[in-house]
Amino acid sequence: AQSVAQPEDQVNVAEGNPLTVKCTYSVSGNPYLFWYVQYPNRGLQFLLKYITGDNLVKGSYGFEAEFNKSQTSFHLKKPSALVSDSALYFCAVSFSGGYQKVTFGTGTKLQVIP
Amino acid sequence: GAVVSQHPSWVICKSGTSVKIECRSLDFQATTMFWYRQFPKQSLMLMATSNEGSKATYEQGVEKDKFLINHASLTLSTLTVTSAHPEDSSFYICSARDSTGAYSYEQYFGPGTRLTVT
Repeated sequence: AQSVAQPEDQVNVAEGNPLTVKCTYSVSGNPYLFWYVQYPNRGLQFLLKYITGDNLVKGSYGFEAEFNKSQTSFHLKKPSALVSDSALYFCAVSFSGGYQKVTFGTGTKLQVIP
Repeated sequence: GAVVSQHPSWVICKSGTSVKIECRSLDFQATTMFWYRQFPKQSLMLMATSNEGSKATYEQGVEKDKFLINHASLTLSTLTVTSAHPEDSSFYICSARDSTGAYSYEQYFGPGTRLTVT
């Protein structure tokens, strides 16, 4: 079985400050990890993914995430938050040999305060 | 990039009627599409996996007779909510996997369909 945990329902950060949205996972096998963003009444937009290679993954809109195998984490980060980054963020996991099914975390609402 | 569309984007229907939602991959072929349901302020729940030319695979607890899925071509999957009730009101999102791409593990998501049953 595979699972994803996003321990924070909401993260508040001041504009211009660095942000982190946490994600931990559990899979059998090598993980495929994803971050998506969702704006109100919209579908999911892909931000970035980790499949293999460098542990630090850079994605859209200045976001990045670091794969940490020992801590089974894939935290989303951005050096300087923008008000427009305020949205709902989902971490998701699949695994090699199980790419048919993606499991999503419960989502973290990011609120960037002007 | 790969684009997935959904139609309609929102629909209001009366209780007891049926509603069909279309999911199309616009610039790639998708042998596999996925249907998700999202309740307010909650995560996405996978309802079923739709495979072109074969029967869909439903997740546990999802009524296959209520949520009819048809994947008749490599670019189109449909979800029909039959005899809809107010508790079926939700945000339905589809995704598609590019079967011909180098990264077959990637899913591309549609914009979602807001269903309201009155």
